[in-house]
Amino acid sequence: QTVLTQEPSFSVSPGGTVTLTCGLSSGSVSTNYYPSWYQQTPGQAPRTLIYNTNIRSSGVPDRFSGSILGNKAALTITGAQADDESDYYCVLYMGSGISVFGGGTKLTVL
Amino acid sequence: EVQVLESGGGLVQPGGSLRLSCAASEFTFSSFAMSWVRQAPGKGLEWVSMIGSSGNTYYADSVRGRFTISRDNPKNTLYLQMNSLRAEDTAVYYCAKRGTASLHYFDYWGQGSLVTVSS
Repeated sequence: QTVLTQEPSFSVSPGGTVTLTCGLSSGSVSTNYYPSWYQQTPGQAPRTLIYNTNIRSSGVPDRFSGSILGNKAALTITGAQADDESDYYCVLYMGSGISVFGGGTKLTVL
Repeated sequence: EVQVLESGGGLVQPGGSLRLSCAASEFTFSSFAMSWVRQAPGKGLEWVSMIGSSGNTYYADSVRGRFTISRDNPKNTLYLQMNSLRAEDTAVYYCAKRGTASLHYFDYWGQGSLVTVSS
């Protein structure tokens, strides 16, 4: 059973920088897992932010960036804004058609 | 603009069946893999199933043997047949278009269809 670990919650001040991470219960995350990131506000459908580790989806502001930090995938928000307050999910592709979601991080901007 | 629109959700008794549909538009449906992702009330997102452009199918362990994903390319429609439903299948079910096949991500999402399994 593959488990992805994300911080359950995080807080950032307006204008601040925050890095959310996505780890594997066993092993290291690499680009071979094609990490992607999704933003979801309550009651809304998810929105695609980042795919293939660090490619921003169309229309996503450049304050969002993706990377591999150590043995985890990472989503960094630089210059956080109030409307960045959302849930953020990472996804890894495990091969053989299988994708796995992390448990999500609830980001508060205050 | 690319759109995917789910329908078919509702209330069903435990052990019952339901079929979800997802109508796609403004892209070449037959060329892209499609997925279903669900979200139980107050919980996170969970990948459920994927069907490739060639028709290959893949399932999460939690639904394998009970759910069947299929597609009708001439109708630009994705389906999810759900049998032997359990209370833990209660969720909003999202249809998601896969992006470039080699990059393994979801690029467009529907608004979701609520499935409630309860007696």
